[in-house]
Amino acid sequence: DQQVKQNSPSLSVQEGRISILNCDYTNSMFDYFLWYKKYPAEGPTFLISISSIKDKNEDGRFTVFLNKSAKHLSLHIVPSQPGDSAVYFCAATRLYGGSQGNLIFGKGTKLSVKP
Amino acid sequence: DTAVSQTPKYLVTQMGNDKSIKCEQNLGHDTMYWYKQDSKKFLKIMFSYNNKELIINETVPNRFSPKSPDKAHLNLHINSLELGDSAVYFCASSQVLAGGEQFFGPGTRLTVL
Repeated sequence: DQQVKQNSPSLSVQEGRISILNCDYTNSMFDYFLWYKKYPAEGPTFLISISSIKDKNEDGRFTVFLNKSAKHLSLHIVPSQPGDSAVYFCAATRLYGGSQGNLIFGKGTKLSVKP
Repeated sequence: DTAVSQTPKYLVTQMGNDKSIKCEQNLGHDTMYWYKQDSKKFLKIMFSYNNKELIINETVPNRFSPKSPDKAHLNLHINSLELGDSAVYFCASSQVLAGGEQFFGPGTRLTVL
């Protein structure tokens, strides 16, 4: 049973445009969400996170939006650059109440940014 | 200077063999983890260690055993390797347990023939 779902396996965007990556979760106990970026043959790299007490977090070109009622979050990259081409993983956890740090990952979305 | 390192990067071995994957972090973190990324690309937690104590032990076969000689190292030992163990194994660390952000190593691709 997938608790974190990324329903788009791939996304292609033109350089300079906005990239929007989506993620849905089923467990309402999750209270902290993260996005990781992964290049081939490398480990995932932390990108940005958001706590469930917020609905938006911004860091430079990257913004994560959280809609708790819909159990949905999205990552916006503006403007997209060719170097952003990678696989993006959404992850969720329960920081409070005994999750013990267990990150639950989605399957990933492969973003291709074309020059 | 690599924050989380793993050796080897690639490991090819026969069924039934015993192998180990080493992991080291120089971030001064308290907690380390092992994840498995299977052929379907899911990243799943296997173990975590906090101050030399096993905190999470998901439903993995007992052929897999994590060993932590000190806070900076968490090695993964696998006995009697099976075909289904073929995957990419990632080590990670975080400052504290349930601290949110985890920092990952480059991964070890294990192929069992």
